[in-house]
Amino acid sequence: QQQVKQSPQSLIVQKGGISIINCAYENTAFDYFPWYQQFPGKGPALLIAIRPDVSEKKEGRFTISFNKSAKQFSLHIMDSQPGDSATYFCAASTDGGATNKLIFGTGTLLAVQP
Amino acid sequence: DVKVTQSSRYLVKRTGEKVFLECVQDMDHENMFWYRQDPGLGLRLIYFSYDVKMKEKGDIPEGYSVSREKKERFSLILESASTNQTSMYLCASSFLGQINNQPQHFGDGTRLSIL
Repeated sequence: QQQVKQSPQSLIVQKGGISIINCAYENTAFDYFPWYQQFPGKGPALLIAIRPDVSEKKEGRFTISFNKSAKQFSLHIMDSQPGDSATYFCAASTDGGATNKLIFGTGTLLAVQP
Repeated sequence: DVKVTQSSRYLVKRTGEKVFLECVQDMDHENMFWYRQDPGLGLRLIYFSYDVKMKEKGDIPEGYSVSREKKERFSLILESASTNQTSMYLCASSFLGQINNQPQHFGDGTRLSIL
């Protein structure tokens, strides 16, 4: 049962462009929404995260936009660089973080062309 | 620096074999997790443990079991390996709870092929 839907499956962006990855969820009990970045041959690593009490969080070139009413959140990568080429996973947590159990989206393979 | 170590990067086994995947973390984390990663399906939780000898089923526990005898070590066991268990397996650990947004720390994965 897929509870976090992620799109697109793959994305090609030119260097300097904006990369946008979208996620949607159904369970209104979700209260923590992280994004993980995975480079080839490595495990995923936390990139940025947001809680539903804010609509946007920015860290450097990475921004999460959160729309609680639409049950959607997205990752924006500004001024995309070839070094950003990786697989990105959105995720959600449903239990207030008590167990830190996450439900992941299906992933987006981003390629930034020089 | 944070470290989650999976014992093998690549493993090839035969159908019907009992397979052990080992994971060790050096961060004194309470939580440990086993995921499998398949193209188009993302990361799916197999089992997790929030304390020594404690375990809970994830979304796809069938055909798997786990063992956590020590806080730093979490083992995934394929009781009788089948070809549909060919996958990338990822171990992760974290502190209990998400106060201050404690992340899950992942190992680099074990690519398991069942022939």
